[in-house]
Amino acid sequence: EPEVTQTPSHQVTQMGQEVILRCVPISNHLYFYWYRQILGQKVEFLVSFYNNEISEKSEIFDDQFSVERPDGSNFTLKIRSTKLEDSAMYFCASSEDRVAGNTIYFGEGSWLTVV
Amino acid sequence: AQTVTQSQPEMSVQEAETVTLSCTYDTSESNYYLFWYKQPPSRQMILVIRQEAYKQQNATENRFSVNFQKAAKSFSLKISDSQLGDTAMYFCALDSNYQLIWGAGTKLIIKP
Repeated sequence: EPEVTQTPSHQVTQMGQEVILRCVPISNHLYFYWYRQILGQKVEFLVSFYNNEISEKSEIFDDQFSVERPDGSNFTLKIRSTKLEDSAMYFCASSEDRVAGNTIYFGEGSWLTVV
Repeated sequence: AQTVTQSQPEMSVQEAETVTLSCTYDTSESNYYLFWYKQPPSRQMILVIRQEAYKQQNATENRFSVNFQKAAKSFSLKISDSQLGDTAMYFCALDSNYQLIWGAGTKLIIKP
């Protein structure tokens, strides 16, 4: 069964450093997403991406964050100048379409620890 | 504001028993979707079941079924004949305005 893959599975970074989290969405999917889950807290929506541009973003997704689809398969989340509070599990997801209720498929997540 | 609330942080049952996980939500939308996702120790979020608000019939997927009470804004998940592999975090989520709004999750432990 096709799946969303994410790398790295875990990354430890120094505060102030830049981090790039990578994702390979399911090949025929057109919509891509990033969600994050701070330990012990709810999963939060960050951003959705379609046709090479951001379609929706949350208040969390400020100038510190950016997303990119650098080639035909990868979808990346860049976090500039990381802060301690950026430590979280980051989930990439994709869907074939963005009709409400359409199944969104998630990757296994990337644990980011900022020290 | 749209919210999803799961009031049971943790539950445990014996294998083969039936267990019900609770979820309540709030939205002003007239049509929306509700989901239950499972997150096993592998951390991947796996869709368990989905319900459209316009459909009165409760969704069923094998051993998993929901009790959707639209007026009460309640969306509980029933797992019948529970198996050890059902041990996981279970998240209730509301799909509205093209974002998933998540509950805090219920940790379900199936004991042998």
